[in-house]
Amino acid sequence: DAGVIQSPRHEVTEMGQEVTLRCKPISGHNSLFWYRQTMMRGLELLIYFNNNVPIDDSGMPEDRFSAKMPNASFSTLKIQPSEPRDSAVYFCASRPTGENTEAFFGQGTRLTVV
Amino acid sequence: AQTVTQSQPEMSVQEAETVTLSCTYDTSENNYYLFWYKQPPSRQMILVIRQEAYKQQNATENRFSVNFQKAAKSFSLKISDSQLGDTAMYFCACSIQGAQKLVFGQGTRLTINP
Repeated sequence: DAGVIQSPRHEVTEMGQEVTLRCKPISGHNSLFWYRQTMMRGLELLIYFNNNVPIDDSGMPEDRFSAKMPNASFSTLKIQPSEPRDSAVYFCASRPTGENTEAFFGQGTRLTVV
Repeated sequence: AQTVTQSQPEMSVQEAETVTLSCTYDTSENNYYLFWYKQPPSRQMILVIRQEAYKQQNATENRFSVNFQKAAKSFSLKISDSQLGDTAMYFCACSIQGAQKLVFGQGTRLTINP
């Protein structure tokens, strides 16, 4: 397996524009996570899915953020409209069933909103 | 819900020295799992070590070991004979039994100096 695949690797956009980040998890993994990494807050969990169903979105900062998982092999994180404070590295991770299992991360998307 | 706290934003040691990174967590659950992940400059997240809360014996992986103090809710990482390649961000994480949710701390930036 190629691992968790995220696209794009880098995104620069203007304030107010819509941004869509994409993720393909590892085949067979039941859980998918979206994290945001900043210097101040470290790795914040935004939302996670089990078997394509959103389980906990309490970390989503505000209504401008939305995430979907239409099938087991694809997820998106959308920010509309984007703001400069959304600039961060966004990671997608997937994990097989089991609380002691390793989570596998993608390479992340570095988002810059100017 | 679980929370994870890493109180050391940065640390720096000389090559070959031993270094300990601190982590505390909070959960009302009795069964849970703890992890340390490493993030080198490449941004890739790598699992270093994991510990099951029901096991009293501290986990060890080569030069990496943990000091798990369940009553104090403390989970520190010890790196022995540190190497230049250990330079990275280190994240502590917690996952409770019965849930796939994986929560991370703020991270500690570790620099190994030659």
